[in-house]
Amino acid sequence: EPEVTQTPSHQVTQMGQEVILRCVPISNHLYFYWYRQILGQKVEFLVSFYNNEISEKSEIFDDQFSVERPDGSNFTLKIRSTKLEDSAMYFCASSREAGGVSYNEQFFGPGTRLTVL
Amino acid sequence: AQSVTQLGSHVSVSEGALVLLRCNYSSSVPPYLFWYVQYPNQGLQLLLKYTSAATLVKGINGFEAEFKKSETSFHLTKPSAHMSDAAEYFCAVSAPLYSSASKIIFGSGTRLSIRP
Repeated sequence: EPEVTQTPSHQVTQMGQEVILRCVPISNHLYFYWYRQILGQKVEFLVSFYNNEISEKSEIFDDQFSVERPDGSNFTLKIRSTKLEDSAMYFCASSREAGGVSYNEQFFGPGTRLTVL
Repeated sequence: AQSVTQLGSHVSVSEGALVLLRCNYSSSVPPYLFWYVQYPNQGLQLLLKYTSAATLVKGINGFEAEFKKSETSFHLTKPSAHMSDAAEYFCAVSAPLYSSASKIIFGSGTRLSIRP
């Protein structure tokens, strides 16, 4: 069964450093998402991406964050200068296109735990 | 705008007892509704989804949920709890098919504990 994969599973970084979280969505999916979950809290939407541009972003997704689909398989989340409060589990998800808008069953990856020291 | 409220951050039941996790939603359009389960240190697994077909939805591991429009509820149930059901459960809402607002809004989660 196809699945979303994410690397690394755990990333430790120093405050102020740049990090790139990587995701490989399901191959025939065209909508991509990032969510985050701060320890003990709920899962929060960060950004959705379609046709090489951001479809929607939340208030959390400020100028320190960016997303990219650098090739035909990867989808990345970059945090330019990490802060302590960026420590969280980051989930990538993907969904199929249906008629040009997202078919809403999203498949989640296992997550990357980011720890900022 | 859409939102989800999960009643009870922690629910504890005995093994073999009924599991009932409560979820109420708010949506300006007919919603899609989901229950996800998260085991410790793992990702999100879809338990079941409501997508405007049958109001009683059956999912994996013996769970089911009933969509009640009049009550704006989507409570999750399981007739007999098993020790392996101990996990965090998230109710979630999303815009329906063919809407441009495709993000999923999650509730704050309910931690289910099972007593032997």
